[in-house]
Amino acid sequence: EDQVTQSPEALRLQEGESSSLNCSYTVSGLRGLFWYRQDPGKGPEFLFTLYSAGEEKEKERLKATLTKKESFLHITAPKPEDSATYLCAVQAVDSNYQLIWGAGTKLIIKP
Amino acid sequence: GAGVSQTPSNKVTEKGKYVELRCDPISGHTALYWYRQSLGQGPEFLIYFQGTGAADDSGLPNDRFFAVRPEGSVSTLKIQRTERGDSAVYLCASSREGGNEQFFGPGTRLTVL
Repeated sequence: EDQVTQSPEALRLQEGESSSLNCSYTVSGLRGLFWYRQDPGKGPEFLFTLYSAGEEKEKERLKATLTKKESFLHITAPKPEDSATYLCAVQAVDSNYQLIWGAGTKLIIKP
Repeated sequence: GAGVSQTPSNKVTEKGKYVELRCDPISGHTALYWYRQSLGQGPEFLIYFQGTGAADDSGLPNDRFFAVRPEGSVSTLKIQRTERGDSAVYLCASSREGGNEQFFGPGTRLTVL
């Protein structure tokens, strides 16, 4: 069964304290892996798409990486405005639209 | 450019009532998706439109839920005889033809009393 597991469920960091969020996935064949950011009371905001193992994408303080079993979202020197829930989703090769979602990691950056 | 918009942002209704939730996708996006999200969970797929037709409605929980997209743009999610368990945030997303990335609206928070 296709599945996405995100860890940890919640992460509290001090401003400037770098860390990583994990997204482990099981899928018959990967078409793409997506990272989204969701602020309270808002819809998910698209961040990155990764397609193949070894691929990396960067945006400001965020860097997403992908292996054959998991993806990491690295956050370097985070700021309080990076606080949000980060969602991971995968799309299987036998689907051109269905996304399988993780439950998210709630990130809190304390000033 | 304008993103996905959803109205209303909040809807409070009583058990047994009928509700309609509206989604206006990004202009030119042919694919439209409805999801439902409960607190602490990822979005749960409900239905997918390609153009005017529902290409996949397998996520609709039961026949009280129905969605339309008559002109291939705006979509309406309709829920009949609402139940307290229908309370959730209903999200709409759209994507361009051939695109993998889905872009989400702000959601409608539905509360059934």
